[in-house]
Amino acid sequence: RKEVEQDPGPFNVPEGATVAFNCTYSNSASQSFFWYRQDCRKEPKLLMSVYSSGNEDGRFTAQLNRASQYISLLIRDSKLSDSATYLCVVNIGSYNAGNMLTFGGGTRLMVKP
Amino acid sequence: NAGVTQTPKFQVLKTGQSMTLQCAQDMNHNSMYWYRQDPGMGLRLIYYSASEGTTDKGEVPNGYNVSRLNKREFSLRLESAAPSQTSVYFCASSTLWEQYFGPGTRLTVT
Repeated sequence: RKEVEQDPGPFNVPEGATVAFNCTYSNSASQSFFWYRQDCRKEPKLLMSVYSSGNEDGRFTAQLNRASQYISLLIRDSKLSDSATYLCVVNIGSYNAGNMLTFGGGTRLMVKP
Repeated sequence: NAGVTQTPKFQVLKTGQSMTLQCAQDMNHNSMYWYRQDPGMGLRLIYYSASEGTTDKGEVPNGYNVSRLNKREFSLRLESAAPSQTSVYFCASSTLWEQYFGPGTRLTVT
């Protein structure tokens, strides 16, 4: 079983739609959680951190359920520019040990006009 | 700020050849990393360096060596390239909460 699992998609949605991605992780000792965005043939970039209380950044909302070991990302009012692969990322280490991140395989989103 | 830079951007090797991938960061970060990304596999950690002078193996270290030359530079060496090492290689450096990635090196081993 992969440590971080995501539905690879692709999710094909029209502009303006709301779309949700889910992710599960297997290591209950995981300490922090993130969503990264990766455009085609580019490097990953941090989209947002995920907190237990849930957090929102504009059209993006991230939720964490530690009991179920489940992370979600909701995108409202999808834009063409949201088309990308979204990587679920879990930190299982400490900064002193090197801030170790484990990446899911990514979920591909394609927003159509 | 250049952030994280990697050279080369593209490389084709024959089986058995060696090469070194270079990485440098100008953000004064202590920690640096090398990942490979293969279709459907996500990013997998090859080696990391928590601070200058230290290196440790990640998930997939076999066939690779690294050198943390100084705080800025972290290189990855393939001593005898194999077709299974065809991949996209990303270098990253990190603060406490965020990793910053270089643009990647696309390596093909024939």
